[in-house]
Amino acid sequence: QKEVEQDPGPLSVPEGAIVSLNCTYSNSAFQYFMWYRQYSRKGPELLMYTYSSGNKEDGRFTAQVDKSSKYISLFIRDSQPSDSATYLCAMSAVRGSTLGRLYFGRGTQLTVWP
Amino acid sequence: DAGVTQSPTHLIKTRGQQVTLRCSPKSGHDTVSWYQQALGQGPQFIFQYYEEEERQRGNFPDRFSGHQFPNYSSELNVNALLLGDSALYLCASSARLAGGRYNEQFFGPGTRLTVL
Repeated sequence: QKEVEQDPGPLSVPEGAIVSLNCTYSNSAFQYFMWYRQYSRKGPELLMYTYSSGNKEDGRFTAQVDKSSKYISLFIRDSQPSDSATYLCAMSAVRGSTLGRLYFGRGTQLTVWP
Repeated sequence: DAGVTQSPTHLIKTRGQQVTLRCSPKSGHDTVSWYQQALGQGPQFIFQYYEEEERQRGNFPDRFSGHQFPNYSSELNVNALLLGDSALYLCASSARLAGGRYNEQFFGPGTRLTVL
């Protein structure tokens, strides 16, 4: 079993739709949770960064972490064609030998059509 | 602030050759991590450098080696290239905080390596 599982999609939605992206994980030591956006042939861009459980909102983006279920989500409201990209979830531990190392899902490819 | 920069942008090599990739971290960051991203996959951790030492290593062979310089910039070296080494190589920088924690990791644009 991979440490981080993410449905690769592809996911295709109309402009204005609410998008839900999800990841599950198996390592209970993970406490930092991140979402990156990656446009084609570019480096990942940090979108959201949360610590432990709870919600975090930034504009049209909301990140949720449910540590009891080992499940994280990213919601995009009022999606725009410019949101078309691959979304990567990533997570890391706060202590121990893997401190600072990011574990990534394989990414979900999102297309928002006008 | 220029953010994380990487060079070169693209590189084409043949099997058996050696390659060196370079990374300059974001201003104020002292830790550099390298990742390999194969097509259609998420980035995989190669290793991390802090205070000019390799602090952690992922599941990559010894053909992959690195270095960090006093100005925090870093190099990734790959020897005896294989076709399977073709990928996007990403550098990420972060700052080590008090108590050994890290802040967010910011990625560079990557170097796309093609091995023929």
